Amino acid sequence: GAGVSQSPRYKVAKRGQDVALRCDPISGHVSLFWYQQALGQGPEFLTYFQNEAQLDKSGLPSDRFFAERPEGSVSTLKIQRTQQEDSAVYLCASSLVRESPLHFGNGTRLTVT
Amino acid sequence: GQQLNQSPQSMFIQEGEDVSMNCTSSSIFNTWLWYKQDPGEGPVLLIALYKAGELTSNGRLTAQFGITRKDSFLNISASIPSDVGIYFCAGSTGANSKLTFGKGITLSVRP
Repeated sequence: GAGVSQSPRYKVAKRGQDVALRCDPISGHVSLFWYQQALGQGPEFLTYFQNEAQLDKSGLPSDRFFAERPEGSVSTLKIQRTQQEDSAVYLCASSLVRESPLHFGNGTRLTVT
Repeated sequence: GQQLNQSPQSMFIQEGEDVSMNCTSSSIFNTWLWYKQDPGEGPVLLIALYKAGELTSNGRLTAQFGITRKDSFLNISASIPSDVGIYFCAGSTGANSKLTFGKGITLSVRP
């Protein structure tokens, strides 16, 4: 597709359940970012990939959060043992090269009950 | 985490009016960007600014990168109903484009 695609659009998880969120960046985009957006807030940085290398994971809130991009295209954000405070919209963004502006997907809204 | 300062939280204007939004930071940024987000969608880039003092237009939108590199403003002229949405400023300090966002301003346009 022409834009960044994220799936699922909505995910409801019971507390303690593991979830996996998928991001398909724009074809050919080298840089990929994950952001977390709580209700009424701006997006907050989670992690950054350049191709398959995870160059910055300083924004991941705990070791329950794990991201990968094994072949330098599709990325998965995994959250283990979900907690209620993990409820948020998880946005993926990609850019052609690292200095280029980001193009965001529509996000996955995660609700932990 | 650190966020840029945007206020007020909400703005209400009449269709056809101009509106200006400001964004400030206690830290210096090398790049400033303005995004618009509609409900259920991701932020969409409106304008990117790369140089202190730079003034850039995109249709009815004009944005400036403050000389101190600690602020930016966005102006929307002759507002129309589809301008409704949440406007975020974002700043970047490094080449990896990791962005720090403001909390956003919700704009409502009365017809």
